[in-house]
Amino acid sequence: NAGVTQTPKFRVLKTGQSMTLLCAQDMNHEYMYWYRQDPGMGLRLIHYSVGEGTTAKGEVPDGYNVSRLKKQNFLLGLESAAPSQTSVYFCASLSTGPVGSYNEQFFGPGTRLTVL
Amino acid sequence: AQRVTQPEKLLSVFKGAPVELKCNYSYSGSPELFWYVQYSRQRLQLLLRHISRESIKGFTADLNKGETSFHLKKPFAQEEDLAMYYCALKAARQLTFGSGTQLTVLP
Repeated sequence: NAGVTQTPKFRVLKTGQSMTLLCAQDMNHEYMYWYRQDPGMGLRLIHYSVGEGTTAKGEVPDGYNVSRLKKQNFLLGLESAAPSQTSVYFCASLSTGPVGSYNEQFFGPGTRLTVL
Repeated sequence: AQRVTQPEKLLSVFKGAPVELKCNYSYSGSPELFWYVQYSRQRLQLLLRHISRESIKGFTADLNKGETSFHLKKPFAQEEDLAMYYCALKAARQLTFGSGTQLTVLP
């Protein structure tokens, strides 16, 4: 199993450009997440999805959109990139189990995005 | 809303010295707490979780509900412990992360 993969690994954008980050998981997990990681601020949740066709806002959703058309994929879009969106983006997935069971969140390798 | 606080951004210890990375939380429910580790340019990976009361790579963490803390400890630091450590609290199938502590081990 590849686990959680992210495409691309690196990207440089100019202000105002758009792009889509792809996250894929082959573990048949229901839940998927997008975080951004910034120095001194840890990981902050952007958007998440509890299943195919559903999405929800996290802590810092502004400027981002997401889609979960297929269970294994979770896309993060930036319609008009801004320098404040320069960050490292991590995708994660989580399985669901019986009530009270522990489920580990698995992370992708990250995408380093720079907006000039 | 839940909150996780890691008061130290940077922590340097000498090889062989004890390590303690602090984590405090606020949450109205019964907390599930975790420590994640991120080695240089690698993805985050789970280090340990409080419900299992396990020791991983020599690290342990005890949940203290009275002090709302979940500090990570290791009796003897090793050079390979160099990494960023994140404390996280799980609620409603979401993880809330602290801001992280960068651990450096000095020779």
